[in-house]
Amino acid sequence: EAQVTQNPRYLITVTGKKLTVTCSQNMNHEYMSWYRQDPGLGLRQIYYSMNVEVTDKGDVPEGYKVSRKEKRNFPLILESPSPNQTSLYFCASSPPVVYGANVLTFGAGSRLTVL
Amino acid sequence: GQNIDQPTEMTATEGAIVQINCTYQTSGFNGLFWYQQHAGEAPTFLSYNVLDGLEEKGRFSSFLSRSKGYSYLLLKELQMKDSASYLCAAMFSGGYNKLIFGAGTRLAVHP
Repeated sequence: EAQVTQNPRYLITVTGKKLTVTCSQNMNHEYMSWYRQDPGLGLRQIYYSMNVEVTDKGDVPEGYKVSRKEKRNFPLILESPSPNQTSLYFCASSPPVVYGANVLTFGAGSRLTVL
Repeated sequence: GQNIDQPTEMTATEGAIVQINCTYQTSGFNGLFWYQQHAGEAPTFLSYNVLDGLEEKGRFSSFLSRSKGYSYLLLKELQMKDSASYLCAAMFSGGYNKLIFGAGTRLAVHP
């Protein structure tokens, strides 16, 4: 089954404790992206990657890092989480965006709480 | 920046028709998506419009007017399972076709 898999689905952590949210897709998609979703604000892009070793900042990159060493994986790293990073996070992937409608396939989401 | 505006909440009756509007800034616009998101779940793709006009797909249709910066999603024969948030997302040119999401419209369908 074609899918995007995120882990963990739920996490409660404390300020300053480094964490990584993993994302893996099995569709051989070049494009991958991380979003956070907060009430009243919609989905906001954190980082995206056009292909292996190619990453760039989205609209809200502060406090986050990413890497794209393999095509299928795109982990999101919070080096020193803070309470304002409490949110619902979605990873998404799509075929190359230059080919018209880049329909995103989303993971199930990771709900992160930073105390 | 690019703002995507859509109503926060709507309610409708089972079997009825509802129209969810979305407006966006036209500068650099490249296409418009609608996604459905049930509570606690991932968004799923509903429709994509790049040309003016109506695209029909079963009970759901989506309309686009590029010159007016306006789109709507039309849901017919509403069912209880249509209770969800509907996300409007506009694509803008800028090297990689940047996608900007609206905050979503929460639709409640009642008997």
